[in-house]
Amino acid sequence: GESVGLHLPTLSVQEGDNSIINCAYSNSASDYFIWYKQESGKGPQFIIDIRSNMDKRQGQRVTVLLNKTVKHLSLQIAATQPGDSAVYFCAENPPNTGGFKTIFGAGTRLFVKA
Amino acid sequence: DTGVSQDPRHKITKRGQNVTFRCDPISEHNRLYWYRQTLGQGPEFLTYFQNEAQLEKSRLLSDRFSAERPKGSFSTLEIQRTEQGDSAMYLCAGGRNQETQYFGPGTRLLVL
Repeated sequence: GESVGLHLPTLSVQEGDNSIINCAYSNSASDYFIWYKQESGKGPQFIIDIRSNMDKRQGQRVTVLLNKTVKHLSLQIAATQPGDSAVYFCAENPPNTGGFKTIFGAGTRLFVKA
Repeated sequence: DTGVSQDPRHKITKRGQNVTFRCDPISEHNRLYWYRQTLGQGPEFLTYFQNEAQLEKSRLLSDRFSAERPKGSFSTLEIQRTEQGDSAMYLCAGGRNQETQYFGPGTRLLVL
């Protein structure tokens, strides 16, 4: 079945550096993608989303890039801060599911070193 | 803070017991979702409500699981005859539009 996965389970970066978290998806027809941040003991928190008709979307310190050719999604965090330490999930909405069958990947844990 | 609350935050129970969890989204959330999350994994979709109607259920939701949203506001998830494999975090999310979901803090269940 369809799955959303991540290339690396953990990522360690120095405070102030930029972070890049990668994700691969398998359903080429998925039309909506979301990045979530989950801190310990909390539910996932929406960070940024992108539709399949876009290649790039920017938010505050975060950028999501979508490469439909290779079915790859990435989250870039600029000037990473200790508060960015968390598990990051990419998620996709497959087509013909009414937008409610979001499929999450396994997550990447980001460690920010001071 | 998403405004979505869940109760209880933690639940320890013995195998075979029934448990019930509650989710309170904000009033604007006509959509409500339940997910299950095990350690080191992403959330897995369980079920979805549009107002009070339960429109979709995952195959993960066995007949021991039941969810309700009687008035289109709060929702409950009940697990009957709990098994050790039910131990997980149970997440609720609310939403207004088609995609964006706002998660609550979850209920962590431990079945002994």
